[in-house]
Amino acid sequence: DAGVIQSPRHEVTEMGQEVTLRCKPISGHNSLFWYRQTMMRGLELLIYFNNNVPIDDSGMPEDRFSAKMPNASFSTLKIQPSEPRDSAVYFCASSLRPPDTQYFGPGTRLTVL
Amino acid sequence: AQSVSQHNHHVILSEAASLELGCNYSYGGTVNLFWYVQYPGQHLQLLLKYFSGDPLVKGIKGFEAEFIKSKFSFNLRKPSVQWSDTAEYFCAVATHNAGNMLTFGGGTRLMVKP
Repeated sequence: DAGVIQSPRHEVTEMGQEVTLRCKPISGHNSLFWYRQTMMRGLELLIYFNNNVPIDDSGMPEDRFSAKMPNASFSTLKIQPSEPRDSAVYFCASSLRPPDTQYFGPGTRLTVL
Repeated sequence: AQSVSQHNHHVILSEAASLELGCNYSYGGTVNLFWYVQYPGQHLQLLLKYFSGDPLVKGIKGFEAEFIKSKFSFNLRKPSVQWSDTAEYFCAVATHNAGNMLTFGGGTRLMVKP
């Protein structure tokens, strides 16, 4: 199995631009999670999907962030407009179902200038 | 709300030294416990997990952890560390009242000197 796939691996953009991060979970996994990791705040859960339905988005920082999961094999996290404080590593993870082991992708390192 | 505390933020050890990283959580009900490791520049990988049964859990690469319910703890141990164990270690807890989602501790950065 290829594991969780994320793209792009690195993204550098300017403040105000739209950023879209992509994730392909492990085939057969029903749950998908988006996390953000920063030095200051550590690892934060942004949103959690189960069977493509958003279950808990209480971690999404503000309306500039949105996430979708149109089908079982694809999810996006969009930031519009982006700000320098959004700079972080964004991880996607999937699991069969909580609380089973979550398998993490390689992350997208986002830099907003 | 549940929380997870990792009191050691940075640990520096020499090779062959023994390791113990602390993890405490705040929740009185049934918990599932995890330790993840993040090597420099890489993603999080599962080291070990506890769901039920023997409270002493063996993981990969010689790591083990002990669940002590009375102390709300799940400390990670390794009898003899190697330079390749240099990484950040995260404790995580899943509880039913949080929809079984993971709550992560702040992480412990371990540096092993050769």
